Amino acid sequence: DAGVIQSPRHEVTEMGQEVTLRCKPISGHNSLFWYRQTMMRGLELLIYFNNNVPIDDSGMPEDRFSAKMPNASFSTLKIQPSEPRDSAVYFCASSFGREGPNEQFFGPGTRLTVL
Amino acid sequence: GENVEQHPSTLSVQEGDSAVIKCTYSDSASNYFPWYKQELGKRPQLIIDIRSNVGEKKDQRIAVTLNKTAKHFSLHITETQPEDSAVYFCAARYSSASKIIFGSGTRLSIRP
Repeated sequence: DAGVIQSPRHEVTEMGQEVTLRCKPISGHNSLFWYRQTMMRGLELLIYFNNNVPIDDSGMPEDRFSAKMPNASFSTLKIQPSEPRDSAVYFCASSFGREGPNEQFFGPGTRLTVL
Repeated sequence: GENVEQHPSTLSVQEGDSAVIKCTYSDSASNYFPWYKQELGKRPQLIIDIRSNVGEKKDQRIAVTLNKTAKHFSLHITETQPEDSAVYFCAARYSSASKIIFGSGTRLSIRP
């Protein structure tokens, strides 16, 4: 398996533009997580899905952020409009199971810079 | 609410010495405690985990201990090597869902 795949790996955009980050989880995994990492705030959970259904989006900072998971193999995180304070590394992670082993496998991340 | 506290935030040890990182969690129903290592510019990767029905687990130079009564768990790295330099995150899974809450991280530096 190729692991969790994220695209793009780097994104530079201007304030006010729409940004879409993409994630393909590991095949067979049924939970998907979006994290944001910054020096100031560390690793923050934004939202997670179980069986394609959003379970907890309490970490989504504002209405400018939205996430979808239309099927088991694809998820997007959208920021509209983007702001400089959104600059961070965004990680997608996936895992399998609820009661059993729950290792989360992280993707390589998308480094977002909003000018 | 759900919370995982991690200490220290930075740690510098001499190569060959031991390093200890400590975490506390708030939900007594937590049942799974993973530790992740993140090297500079890389993704977090699981290095060891422990379940609530086990008090200690060891894997070569790495060990984790869990005190359920005190809601503490710790990572111990012995005979530290330069490649151990990284940021380490503890985490706890809350029983009600798959969500894992991460600590704030410890930046470990190994002095040659």
